[in-house]
Amino acid sequence: AQKVTQAQTEISVVEKEDVTLDCVYETRDTTYYLFWYKQPPSGELVFLIRRNSFDEQNEISGRYSWNFQKSTSSFNFTITASQVVDSAVYFCALSEAGLSGGGADGLTFGKGTHLIIQP
Amino acid sequence: DSGVTQTPKHLITATGQRVTLRCSPRSGDLSVYWYQQSLDQGLQFLIQYYNGEERAKGNILERFSAQQFPDLHSELNLSSLELGDSALYFCASSVGPDNSGNTIYFGEGSWLTVV
Repeated sequence: AQKVTQAQTEISVVEKEDVTLDCVYETRDTTYYLFWYKQPPSGELVFLIRRNSFDEQNEISGRYSWNFQKSTSSFNFTITASQVVDSAVYFCALSEAGLSGGGADGLTFGKGTHLIIQP
Repeated sequence: DSGVTQTPKHLITATGQRVTLRCSPRSGDLSVYWYQQSLDQGLQFLIQYYNGEERAKGNILERFSAQQFPDLHSELNLSSLELGDSALYFCASSVGPDNSGNTIYFGEGSWLTVV
């Protein structure tokens, strides 16, 4: 069965520091998709990125970057020069293509990492 | 704004009651998903519909049911409510019918409190 582990329950850093959020996943499928979502205090879930299992290129979007490594089943998220507005709970999620016969069961989320950016 | 609209945003009801949560997907999206977020269980997939048909089922209780209408909006019905059903219920939508990697966009959620 698919599983996503975000071992860091809470991280607190001072503004302008760089911070990396870890995500480790488990899946038997060879085709799968990884996502990151942000949940600010207001509660909505904001989509950040989607990556498929065949694309191991790292991605950078402004202050955000993602490091996908199939060898270690990890999809880590780094925020450079953090800002107070980055304070939120961040979720990593996995979606299997369902080709292994396990079925397609929507997104499997990790427990989330609560990121606190102190001014 | 993700384009996914959920109503109501907040709801307080008593145990044993029944409520209906409503969702309008993003324009052009045919798939609708329902998720439950609670403190103890985290974010859990409940059910998915694609173009009016049930597509996938997750950890949805028998007391809960959902449907997707011809105009593609969806409703999640929660009945015989218990205190433990208090949670944030998310609707999400995507273009495709399956886990082909389509981006799944979430609404702002409906906060349900059962007292």
